Amino acid sequence: DAKTTQPPSMDCAEGRAANLPCNHSTISGNEYVYWYRQIHSQGPQYIIHGLKNNETNEMASLIITEDRKSSTLILPHATLRDTAVYYCIAAAGSARQLTFGSGTQLTVLP
Amino acid sequence: NAGVMQNPRHLVRRRGQEARLRCSPMKGHSHVYWYRQLPEEGLKFMVYLQKENIIDESGMPKERFSAEFPKEGPSILRIQQVVRGDSAAYFCASSSTSLAGASDEQFFGPGTRLTVL
Repeated sequence: DAKTTQPPSMDCAEGRAANLPCNHSTISGNEYVYWYRQIHSQGPQYIIHGLKNNETNEMASLIITEDRKSSTLILPHATLRDTAVYYCIAAAGSARQLTFGSGTQLTVLP
Repeated sequence: NAGVMQNPRHLVRRRGQEARLRCSPMKGHSHVYWYRQLPEEGLKFMVYLQKENIIDESGMPKERFSAEFPKEGPSILRIQQVVRGDSAAYFCASSSTSLAGASDEQFFGPGTRLTVL
């Protein structure tokens, strides 16, 4: 799996968009970008994933740069319940083990 | 649609005892993964199983740890002769069958918190 780099922490005001960056400059062509989050020691929660194109679902949007060396997870209207550690993972679609780094601790402030 | 279920949620064992952790994957999922999270650390992959087969156990300690996913029933992670260093949260995840090369997200259970006294 390609190494990913994320800022250790970020704050966001409640109701505003939270933009979480991830660098994956060594990502290979068959590797997807996955985002998970872990709220207060609960089980990790799948958020979204993508290969080349931008993706959107009910939770978030994923913007991947054209060269695929970085991406941004966007939570459009952050709430207090979005406070969590967010993990960006680059892994081949057929990969069966996910490598969790340190992630970004997102704190949504009232 | 029930998610991944794990039990027990909390388990306390004394040094030298055995710990058995159970995981029922999501309905329709035939792939199971076990991860361990030590205090203040990230999740580490342990083992990947399909029904009746261990596919990848590269993250599993060589001694005292074993895993199975029988044809019927939940997947079991077994830790023999537990030591204090085994105290951690153990998470199970499951995914559905996918074509080679296709993406296949994993869905995690709530975890089992093992405390070794």
